[in-house]
Amino acid sequence: DSGVTQTPKHLITATGQRVTLRCSPRSGDLSVYWYQQSLDQGLQFLIQYYNGEERAKGNILERFSAQQFPDLHSELNLSSLELGDSALYFCASSATGDVNTEAFFGQGTRLTVV
Amino acid sequence: QKEVEQDPGPLSVPEGAIVSLNCTYSNSAFQYFMWYRQYSRKGPELLMYTYSSGNKEDGRFTAQVDKSSKYISLFIRDSQPSDSATYLCAMSPASKIIFGSGTRLSIRP
Repeated sequence: DSGVTQTPKHLITATGQRVTLRCSPRSGDLSVYWYQQSLDQGLQFLIQYYNGEERAKGNILERFSAQQFPDLHSELNLSSLELGDSALYFCASSATGDVNTEAFFGQGTRLTVV
Repeated sequence: QKEVEQDPGPLSVPEGAIVSLNCTYSNSAFQYFMWYRQYSRKGPELLMYTYSSGNKEDGRFTAQVDKSSKYISLFIRDSQPSDSATYLCAMSPASKIIFGSGTRLSIRP
């Protein structure tokens, strides 16, 4: 168990809908990262938050947004969902804002868009 | 062309064999190199971490970085069935981490 908690584990929704994925980082970790993993694209970095502030941005679509709350948990919001958004979404956390600090991954949320 | 290339496999070897997993990359700015292991239905976990060129050993695992050839390797000695997983290389120029697509490895008892 990495100590990173993601909910829900599975999500099935229809195209055009909006969903929110939640992540609780390891106790004491200040950084939260979101990744998307699909069969054809592999593991893609979406966005990083550090202590409530956006730190780095990757290949995140404009339909997607994230935030980190004062208690350090984070949410990833996906809207106007398309079939191609079906993927595993991982959250990871690390102690510092440096991306090269060891990050611990949650078990992921499997999103299926139908 | 992807910044990081990794053969997706699958790779199947008998128990006890030496396994060699490799990645190539194109960005000479990469300085940090990592290997993650991902079991089915789990998140990736960090296995090895190296900075710049050279070798690093940790038990049965050895990570090798050759920056002149833009090539990194992970060797697994005395492979065990419990090593069956997907192995992802990852590298960073310091601002974000870029992952390879992963190699699926199966160790036959």
